[in-house]
Amino acid sequence: AQKITQTQPGMFVQEKEAVTLDCTYDTSDQSYGLFWYKQPSSGEMIFLIYQGSYDEQNATEGRYSLNFQKARKSANLVISASQLGDSAMYFCAMREGRAGGGNKLTFGTGTQLKVEL
Amino acid sequence: DAGVTQSPTHLIKTRGQHVTLRCSPISGHKSVSWYQQVLGQGPQFIFQYYEKEERGRGNFPDRFSARQFPNYSSELNVNALLLGDSALYLCASSGTAGKLFFGSGTQLSVL
Repeated sequence: AQKITQTQPGMFVQEKEAVTLDCTYDTSDQSYGLFWYKQPSSGEMIFLIYQGSYDEQNATEGRYSLNFQKARKSANLVISASQLGDSAMYFCAMREGRAGGGNKLTFGTGTQLKVEL
Repeated sequence: DAGVTQSPTHLIKTRGQHVTLRCSPISGHKSVSWYQQVLGQGPQFIFQYYEKEERGRGNFPDRFSARQFPNYSSELNVNALLLGDSALYLCASSGTAGKLFFGSGTQLSVL
């Protein structure tokens, strides 16, 4: 069973607008972590944001925020004020188990974001 | 501070050959993990090492092996290369906070 689902293979957004990339997950663990990574065409996997399952506040990192809805098992990434440099593939990933207990991430299939003028 | 460094950046091999990929984690990080990313897909977990011990292994054949050294750097070895091993190999390091940071990867092409 797929544990991370990204239903948007491609998204377009105009520069300076906000965009939401969807991610749903499935786990029976109480302790887990959710990640978002950006992968430009150069191939590097760039860490954007992390949310622990017990974190009460939604994570934010600059223009990135994670809309964490635990009951719905969703962890959507919100990018505010999009820039041309945000054009890339975005991956949602999950670590099951507590932080430090393992580094096995399960990735979704990714969303290709294109920022237009 | 330097991020995760991987070498080489690109590699071309022929079927049946052996390859060694190298990774240096972020200073202070003791855990290293390896991922394979085939074109058009998300990365797949191969191995995790912590304090020189294997802590996890993904669904990969025994041709894949790895080790971690006392300085926490790591090597991924692949024997008897197949065409299907062509992929981007990513190394990630993590500390105690749970965040994983990836290197730029090694692009392996098997001809």
